[in-house]
Amino acid sequence: QVQLQESGPGLVKPSETLSLTCTVSGGSLSSYYWSWIRQSPGKGLEWIGQIYFSENTKYNPSLTSRVTMSIDTPKNQFSLKLSSVTAADTALYYCARGRRFCANGLCSSYMDVWGKGTTVTVSS
Amino acid sequence: EIVLTQSPGTLSLSPGERATLSCRASQTVDNNYLAWYQQKPAQAPSLLIYGASTRATGIPDRFGGSGSGTDFTLTISRLEPGDFAVYFCQQYGSSPWTFGQGTKVEVK
Repeated sequence: QVQLQESGPGLVKPSETLSLTCTVSGGSLSSYYWSWIRQSPGKGLEWIGQIYFSENTKYNPSLTSRVTMSIDTPKNQFSLKLSSVTAADTALYYCARGRRFCANGLCSSYMDVWGKGTTVTVSS
Repeated sequence: EIVLTQSPGTLSLSPGERATLSCRASQTVDNNYLAWYQQKPAQAPSLLIYGASTRATGIPDRFGGSGSGTDFTLTISRLEPGDFAVYFCQQYGSSPWTFGQGTKVEVK
């Protein structure tokens, strides 16, 4: 059974870059979309973006100027970098697997497996 | 982006009762690409329903999803103790994917 585990610093200084990694165990990165989502009391659940293979990325327009996602297939990991962070980026960050689904010529993905989440606080 | 509005904010019910949760979209959700998640305290959201009405693997049939276009419903036919949680809807028909603010189902 596939499991996802987020890892990374729990404290990031303002203006620096938040870096998180999601390690996938019990399954392959191939044929799935991989997403990052965050949750905070003020904003609720917010989808950050997704990556499919190494080149195909889709980011939330509200964050696109600061977000970079990447995949490390040999390590079975994918990563999130969020630059120029502020206190508003303080949240619980989740990684999730997206299962591809196509109907009526429109393909998308729903998130069927989530990691437990990791808390990131932005503070000096 | 599509804004999802869930109602009610809180639903107070007893075990065995029926729960009806609503999710309304600000514009049509393409292909009814609408999912429902359950979140219990200190846990990640867990997929219940995708495609508006298809139960995810292992989800009991007391959970049912319905609706299309802009109006969607999650129904829990008979609440069990483990069903008291927060429920979120999420659309993945058009980017950016967006979530509703959640409905809390609590014990009356």
